[in-house]
Amino acid sequence: GNSVTQMEGPVTLSEEAFLTINCTYTATGYPSLFWYVQYPGEGLQLLLKATKADDKGSNKGFEATYRKETTSFHLEKGSVQVSDSAVYFCALSEGVSGSARQLTFGSGTQLTVLP
Amino acid sequence: DAGVTQSPTHLIKTRGQQVTLRCSPKSGHDTVSWYQQALGQGPQFIFQYYEEEERQRGNFPDRFSGHQFPNYSSELNVNALLLGDSALYLCASTQGVGYTEAFFGQGTRLTVV
Repeated sequence: GNSVTQMEGPVTLSEEAFLTINCTYTATGYPSLFWYVQYPGEGLQLLLKATKADDKGSNKGFEATYRKETTSFHLEKGSVQVSDSAVYFCALSEGVSGSARQLTFGSGTQLTVLP
Repeated sequence: DAGVTQSPTHLIKTRGQQVTLRCSPKSGHDTVSWYQQALGQGPQFIFQYYEEEERQRGNFPDRFSGHQFPNYSSELNVNALLLGDSALYLCASTQGVGYTEAFFGQGTRLTVV
């Protein structure tokens, strides 16, 4: 079956530091890949996505590239801010034809950015 | 434009009881999926409803059941509650079949005592 493995947290960084959160996946076909973010007390928000190999998703300074050869989708940001403190989830979708795709999530990485 | 709304936001139930959680999808969306997020874990897919039918199901027992109404809103029912059912239950909506972006509600925090 499908699975997503994320680097374990928590991750604590100083403001303006470089961020990398590793994500690797296992899938039987050609999944779409996502990063979701969850702020305290809130639901999940889509941060970025990539639907095919070598695609780069980007949003709010965050980037991730779909690497089929290494089955990876690592999240990066060049300079984090205190407001980036949240839990980040890597996810993939690969559904049955004719049905909306279900999401398979990693276990999440808690990021804390200190001023 | 209202996003995905869930009710209630918090709920405390006793072991063995039954619970119903509700979800209204984002305007224009017709597919609803439910996820269970245990503390410190990623969400796990429970099931998905489209055209008032269960279309996909994750690895959850029959105690978990659902329903979708003609207005696309949905309910998640859990019978014979166990302590291990304590979790954040998330509803996500999408539009149609195939790949589309999923929008999540803020969730219902269920505590079973």
